[in-house]
Amino acid sequence: AQSVSQHNHHVILSEAASLELGCNYSYGGTVNLFWYVQYPGQHLQLLLKYFSGDPLVKGIKGFEAEFIKSKFSFNLRKPSVQWSDTAEYFCAVNAPGGYQKVTFGIGTKLQVIP
Amino acid sequence: DVKVTQSSRYLVKRTGEKVFLECVQDMDHENMFWYRQDPGLGLRLIYFSYDVKMKEKGDIPEGYSVSREKKERFSLILESASTNQTSMYLCASSSLSLRDRREKLFFGSGTQLSVL
Repeated sequence: AQSVSQHNHHVILSEAASLELGCNYSYGGTVNLFWYVQYPGQHLQLLLKYFSGDPLVKGIKGFEAEFIKSKFSFNLRKPSVQWSDTAEYFCAVNAPGGYQKVTFGIGTKLQVIP
Repeated sequence: DVKVTQSSRYLVKRTGEKVFLECVQDMDHENMFWYRQDPGLGLRLIYFSYDVKMKEKGDIPEGYSVSREKKERFSLILESASTNQTSMYLCASSSLSLRDRREKLFFGSGTQLSVL
């Protein structure tokens, strides 16, 4: 069965620091990859997604992610974080086969200190 | 914007009670999902539905059932609530057919259920 691993469960950064959150998935075939974000008190929302083409994907609020097929990775990056980026971030992958089953990682809580 | 509305933000129930969690979406989406979110475990799929009266088990369906009598409404039912079902429950919806797996999920705000 497919799975998603997020390496960092809790990250604390100062404003303007660079961010990289790791995500690895376990499935050998074609996958679709997502990063979702949950700001405090808000619902989960899509940050960015990769389906095909350019492996470097740009999302909202200056976030980007790079799909490296050989490493089964889809790491999230941002050059300079802001206090408003404090949130929980979830990596997710579409399961193979029929239906739209999405498997999520356990999430990474990011705390940005002003 | 798509709106996914969950009827309760917080709910407290007693062990053994029958619990109904309601979810309504306003964008005519075919697919609807119920997840539970637990610290350290991420989101886990309980059930999903791709059409009225159709349902499929997710990864952790035990102790739960669902109902989809109308396209816009997807209910999660805990037949006999237990303390290990204390969790945040998230409803989500998406459009497009089953063959296109690329559409994003739209989430509700969640229901924090406590079973005492």
